[in-house]
Amino acid sequence: EAQVTQNPRYLITVTGKKLTVTCSQNMNHEYMSWYRQDPGLGLRQIYYSMNVEVTDKGDVPEGYKVSRKEKRNFPLILESPSPNQTSLYFCASSSRGGEGGYTFGSGTRLTVV
Amino acid sequence: AQSVTQLGSHVSVSEGALVLLRCNYSSSVPPYLFWYVQYPNQGLQLLLKYTTGATLVKGINGFEAEFKKSETSFHLTKPSAHMSDAAEYFCAVNTGFQKLVFGTGTRLLVSP
Repeated sequence: EAQVTQNPRYLITVTGKKLTVTCSQNMNHEYMSWYRQDPGLGLRQIYYSMNVEVTDKGDVPEGYKVSRKEKRNFPLILESPSPNQTSLYFCASSSRGGEGGYTFGSGTRLTVV
Repeated sequence: AQSVTQLGSHVSVSEGALVLLRCNYSSSVPPYLFWYVQYPNQGLQLLLKYTTGATLVKGINGFEAEFKKSETSFHLTKPSAHMSDAAEYFCAVNTGFQKLVFGTGTRLLVSP
């Protein structure tokens, strides 16, 4: 089944404790992206990647890092999480630049206390 | 810069009634437009998309949307609402770069 897999689905952590949210897709997509969803704000792009070793900032990149060492994987790293990073996170992938639309993962609900 | 405006954070309809969710966009170039649906505790699922060609686009679950360039709109409709349509709906625009810009979402409530 074609899908984007994120782990974990739920995570509660403490301020300052580094964490990684994993994302993997099995569709051989070139493009991958991370979004965060907050009430009343919709989804905002954190980082995106156009291919292996090619990443760039989205609208809200502060406090996040990403890497794209393999085509299928695009982990999101929070080096020192803070409570304002409490959110619902989605990973997405696409085979084309714009017209294909993105396939989304099921989401990771992160709480930072 | 491109942006998306969804009018109404909540829309309530009765089962069997027409569903109309409004979306207006701004873009300096011809846009690609999308509607996504999000059911509780799930990710986003693509409902339909407009890229080029026919301006009336049909999607899954009986939804359709019409691209109106003169009005910069891409409203989502369904002739007859079903209880299972209750969800949050997001309109999004992509102008060819690696960014889907989303509206703030509209929660559709369907009453019996």
